[in-house]
Amino acid sequence: QKEVEQNSGPLSVPEGAIASLNCTYSDRGSQSFFWYRQYSGKSPELIMFIYSNGDKEDGRFTAQLNKASQYVSLLIRDSQPSDSATYLCAVEPPLGNQFYFGTGTSLTVIP
Amino acid sequence: DAGVIQSPRHEVTEMGQEVTLRCKPISGHNSLFWYRQTMMRGLELLIYFNNNVPIDDSGMPEDRFSAKMPNASFSTLKIQPSEPRDSAVYFCASSWTGQGYTFGSGTRLTVV
Repeated sequence: QKEVEQNSGPLSVPEGAIASLNCTYSDRGSQSFFWYRQYSGKSPELIMFIYSNGDKEDGRFTAQLNKASQYVSLLIRDSQPSDSATYLCAVEPPLGNQFYFGTGTSLTVIP
Repeated sequence: DAGVIQSPRHEVTEMGQEVTLRCKPISGHNSLFWYRQTMMRGLELLIYFNNNVPIDDSGMPEDRFSAKMPNASFSTLKIQPSEPRDSAVYFCASSWTGQGYTFGSGTRLTVV
């Protein structure tokens, strides 16, 4: 079992809709969770992080964490074509500095 | 802050040649990571350093790969000899403990 799993997609949503990206992780002791956005040909860019159960909102983005279910998600409200990218979930295990990255979900927002 | 700086941005080399990739982390960050990204395998961690000391190099594919961090502001990843299967985008990232990584722009390596 991989440490972090994501649905690779592709996920397509119409402009203005809510995009929902999901991620599960295997190490129950993990404490820190991150979402990165990667445009084609560019490097990953940190867009959200969450440490506590519940929701964390930043503009159109909401990260949701459920430690009991070992599940973290990213919601993008009012999706825009500029949100079209690959979204990577990263989890920091309880020991060590390195993150475990998922393989990413490709999102396309259709105008 | 200039962010994580990698050089070169692109490298095309012939099989068997030595390749050296360079990285300058963000000042004050205490961890540095080298990743390789391909379509087939996604992001793979090759090696990471904490306070300039290599902590985990289990991701280094074979002895042809080596990495150094002689000081807090510079790291290199060397491939000798290079092979076509090494073609990928190589990212360097740095962070402060417990914080998210900041990635450099990457080096696109093509070995022909």
